[in-house]
Amino acid sequence: NAGVTQTPKFRVLKTGQSMTLLCAQDMNHEYMYWYRQDPGMGLRLIHYSVGEGTTAKGEVPDGYNVSRLKKQNFLLGLESAAPSQTSVYFCASSVGGYNEQFFGPGTRLTVL
Amino acid sequence: AQKITQTQPGMFVQEKEAVTLDCTYDTSDPSYGLFWYKQPSSGEMIFLIYQGSYDQQNATEGRYSLNFQKARKSANLVISASQLGDSAMYFCAMRVNDYKLSFGAGTTVTVRA
Repeated sequence: NAGVTQTPKFRVLKTGQSMTLLCAQDMNHEYMYWYRQDPGMGLRLIHYSVGEGTTAKGEVPDGYNVSRLKKQNFLLGLESAAPSQTSVYFCASSVGGYNEQFFGPGTRLTVL
Repeated sequence: AQKITQTQPGMFVQEKEAVTLDCTYDTSDPSYGLFWYKQPSSGEMIFLIYQGSYDQQNATEGRYSLNFQKARKSANLVISASQLGDSAMYFCAMRVNDYKLSFGAGTTVTVRA
């Protein structure tokens, strides 16, 4: 099993460009999450999903959109990238809301 | 709002010694879970240990143990017999009923040979 995978691993964008980050998990987990990690800070939740077809806002949702069309995939979109969105993005999944979350390797995004 | 505080930005420990990483939390909800994750320099987040608020005993997983003091709202991680591979950033996190994890700022541990 690959666990949680993220595509791409690195990306550089110019201000105003758009992109989509893909997260895939092969553990049949119901719950999926997107976090961002900034220097000197812990992870902050952007959006999450408690099942296929559902999404909900986390702590820092502004500037991001998500979709969960298939149970195994959770997409994070940036419609108009800003330098403040330069960060490392982590996707995670869990069996249920009370279980440990398994994380992907992260995507390092730089917005110039 | 839930809050996790890790007051130690960085720590040094001698190989084979034990180290305690502090974590305090703040919540008014009686049902919650506490997690510790390890982030090595390669960047991935690795789950280490979990403690539920109603668990009667402190959690242990191999060389990791969680010193859970509910009245003090603390959930310190103890790593025994430190190894060079334990050098990493360690995050404490709390989950309350809405399934989301709130993370502390992390503590960097450096193990010296």
